[in-house]
Amino acid sequence: VIWMTQSPSLLSASTGDRVTISCRMSQGISNYLAWYQQKPGKAPELLIYAASTLQSGVPSRFSGSGSGTDFTLTISCLQSEDFATYYCQQYYSLPQTFGQGTKVEIK
Amino acid sequence: EVQLLESGGGLVQPGGSLRLSCAASGFTFSDYAMSWVRQAPGKGLEWVSAISGSGGSTYYADSVKGRFTISRDNSKNTLYLQMNSLRAEDTAVYYCAKDGLSRYCTNGVCYKDYWGQGTLVTVSS
Repeated sequence: VIWMTQSPSLLSASTGDRVTISCRMSQGISNYLAWYQQKPGKAPELLIYAASTLQSGVPSRFSGSGSGTDFTLTISCLQSEDFATYYCQQYYSLPQTFGQGTKVEIK
Repeated sequence: EVQLLESGGGLVQPGGSLRLSCAASGFTFSDYAMSWVRQAPGKGLEWVSAISGSGGSTYYADSVKGRFTISRDNSKNTLYLQMNSLRAEDTAVYYCAKDGLSRYCTNGVCYKDYWGQGTLVTVSS
């Protein structure tokens, strides 16, 4: 099993801020990493796959980077609609696993 | 437009059974692997099971292996999850999800590019 450490678990920020969320793996996964956004009462939505490829329709203020064991999701200029919970997911091996989640709240 | 619509959730007693369905539209269903992912109340996401496009390969999380069975009917564009011997810890919203492009995936594992709205399963006496 590949263990994932996502940090921070809670992030307080203001509109316009640049925020970063980290996801660290217990072993290398190449670039088989995705990021999702989930709002309360809604299903998750794919933001990024293959560590850095933006899903169609996702605003360019979202970006992903990393390879191997360390990955980052960056929101360059936080908008009101970005306050949500974010999850990373590794799809390198079974069982595919998700990070614990990062809630981005209004400061 | 891709649409995934789950149904079949509800309240069931411990030890009972339930069958979830997920009706898919907007894409060639048989071309894509599909998954079930669940989320317990107030908790994070947990992958449950996956099935290849043909239905010939299936995969399960250890927590449900031997109790849950994933299947699909490509003629009906529908995904299923048969859940037996249900436990209180199976209480969750169950999402069906479409796997992404196979060329970006590996070892039968993939990211999820579309999700249904979810169906709530509550296991309680």
